[in-house]
Amino acid sequence: QSVLTQPPSASGTPGQRVTISCSGSSSNIGSNTVNWYQQLPGTAPKLLIYSNNQRPSGVPDRFSGSKSGTSASLAISGLQSEDEADYYCAAWDDSLNGPDVVFGGGTKLTVL
Amino acid sequence: QVQLQESGPGLVKPSQTLSLTCTVSGGSISSGGYYWSWIRQHPGKGLEWIGYIYYSGSTYYNPSLKSRVTISVDTSKNQFSLKLSSVTAADTAVYYCARVVTVPSEALMYFDLWGRGTLVTVSS
Repeated sequence: QSVLTQPPSASGTPGQRVTISCSGSSSNIGSNTVNWYQQLPGTAPKLLIYSNNQRPSGVPDRFSGSKSGTSASLAISGLQSEDEADYYCAAWDDSLNGPDVVFGGGTKLTVL
Repeated sequence: QVQLQESGPGLVKPSQTLSLTCTVSGGSISSGGYYWSWIRQHPGKGLEWIGYIYYSGSTYYNPSLKSRVTISVDTSKNQFSLKLSSVTAADTAVYYCARVVTVPSEALMYFDLWGRGTLVTVSS
């Protein structure tokens, strides 16, 4: 059971806009920034969004992130076949022992 | 550019200690500004943070693994390592090393670079 909650799956057709949600609590998303990672089949995760809505160099602007309260979202516009991957959200969690890193369970995006 | 590469045995027997090393190339671990982390992914499952270390040796561990985990750094070799003791089949996973950007004053933390990962199977 992951600390951050994501839908296990999402889908869309080429050109569509898809959103993936990530729900947490006051100790993680509510008080820390959220990151998103893309994991293409058989590869290592790659940073997609950091600090809620910032894109690293090289990430297309089709990908955007947002955060409100204890939830965050990843939006992908102009969906392409190469976007088919697993997507994970992550954040610090302010536990008693110091900040832990928590991940969502991942969302498998299928491009129909 | 900075690259990370995991290395170590792909097969470990139950009750033994899993040992992995991450070699950092293209940059110095000692330059500061980053933490260095281990993350694992059970087959077909999601990501699990194991812990991270600063070049000075400061460490933070996942509470669920803390009693079995040791992360260390060797700045002379530009490497950091993971030891996980008393392993069971439940520790079978792909293990990734990653570089961590942290800015506590901005509640900011993210893994900006990842190694390719290495599969470790626990079996007799």
